[in-house]
Amino acid sequence: AQSVTQPDIHITVSEGASLELRCNYSYGATPYLFWYVQSPGQGLQLLLKYFSGDTLVQGIKGFEAEFKRSQSSFNLRKPSVHWSDAAEYFCAVFPNTDKLIFGTGTRLQVFP
Amino acid sequence: DAGVTQSPTHLIKTRGQQVTLRCSPKSGHDTVSWYQQALGQGPQFIFQYYEEEERQRGNFPDRFSGHQFPNYSSELNVNALLLGDSALYLCASSLNGLASHEQFFGPGTRLTVL
Repeated sequence: AQSVTQPDIHITVSEGASLELRCNYSYGATPYLFWYVQSPGQGLQLLLKYFSGDTLVQGIKGFEAEFKRSQSSFNLRKPSVHWSDAAEYFCAVFPNTDKLIFGTGTRLQVFP
Repeated sequence: DAGVTQSPTHLIKTRGQQVTLRCSPKSGHDTVSWYQQALGQGPQFIFQYYEEEERQRGNFPDRFSGHQFPNYSSELNVNALLLGDSALYLCASSLNGLASHEQFFGPGTRLTVL
């Protein structure tokens, strides 16, 4: 069965530090891959997506993610975190079944 | 261009009651999917509506039902509410076909069951 694993439940970083959020997926082929961000009490905002081609994809708010087929991973990165990046981050796959399968999320806390 | 809208924002019900949540898709979209997000969890797919029919369903009991109207808006109904139904209910809209993977989410409806 398709699944998404986000191994880090909670990450704390200092403002200005770099960030990497991990995501691993289980699927027989290469699915469409997404990262969403959710601020408290809000819906989901798409940060970036990967379908094919260049394995390094750029998103909004200075985020990027790298697809690694050999590791079934799609990690999210940002070189310098801002306090406003504090939120919940969800990795998701779309395995050609018209529904998104989400990981359990990683809560990012940013200290000044 | 309005995005996906949902109503109400918050709702409090008691066990055994019934609830109806509403969703208006993004302009130009014809497909609506519903997700349940329990506290501390990722969203889980409930079902999807296209051409006024349920096209796909996740692992949710029959107490969860839905409807899609000719204008593509949708309702999610939950009968015989349980405490465990307390969650954020998210609606996502998309365009059927090659762009079906691009789902736009509404702000959600927070349901609390007491």
